[in-house]
Amino acid sequence: EIVMTQSPATLSVSPGERATLSCRASQSVGINLAWYQQKPGQAPRLLIYGASTRATGIPDRFSGSGSGTDFTLTISSLQSEDFAVYHCLQCRKWPWTFGQGTKVEIK
Amino acid sequence: EVQLVQSGAEVKKPGESLKISCQASGYRFTNYWIAWVRQMPGKGLEWMGSIYPDDSDTRYSPAFQGQVSITVDKSKNTAYLQWSSLKASDTAFYYCATLATVAAQEIIWFFDFWGRGTLVTVSS
Repeated sequence: EIVMTQSPATLSVSPGERATLSCRASQSVGINLAWYQQKPGQAPRLLIYGASTRATGIPDRFSGSGSGTDFTLTISSLQSEDFAVYHCLQCRKWPWTFGQGTKVEIK
Repeated sequence: EVQLVQSGAEVKKPGESLKISCQASGYRFTNYWIAWVRQMPGKGLEWMGSIYPDDSDTRYSPAFQGQVSITVDKSKNTAYLQWSSLKASDTAFYYCATLATVAAQEIIWFFDFWGRGTLVTVSS
């Protein structure tokens, strides 16, 4: 099983600042990596797929990069609605696995 | 518009059986895999398994193989997640999601549309 490790567990950021979230795979997943945002009481929402392609309707302040084992989600200028938990997911190899999540909180 | 409507919250006792549902609309149900994802209280997401409605080809995560059953009813555009004997540790939110694929330098998979989730509480 591919283990996905996200860091940090919690990121404290002020509105308007940049946030950089990391996701590392225990073996290569190519670019088969997606990012999701989840707010309390809500289902996850697709942000990025294929490591760097924004999903429909996602603002361009969200960007994804990386390939192989190391991936980054960057939020260029945090808005109030961006404070949430972010999950990465690999779909390269069964069983598909998520990271444990990074909580982005208001500093 | 793609919609996944999940059945309502359930409260069950250990040892009881349960079947929850996910009714799809807005797309050709038989042509897209559907996945089930667990989220235990305060925890992360776990892929449980996926089913291809056209032929019921099903893949399970080893962690859930033998613990749950994933089925579909094509006539109702509905996917199901079933337990024969619940445990307290099955208490969680369960989400269904559609699977999309994109052809790039490799085939890219991801969950795109999600249901709102079904809360299952198992307590004596």
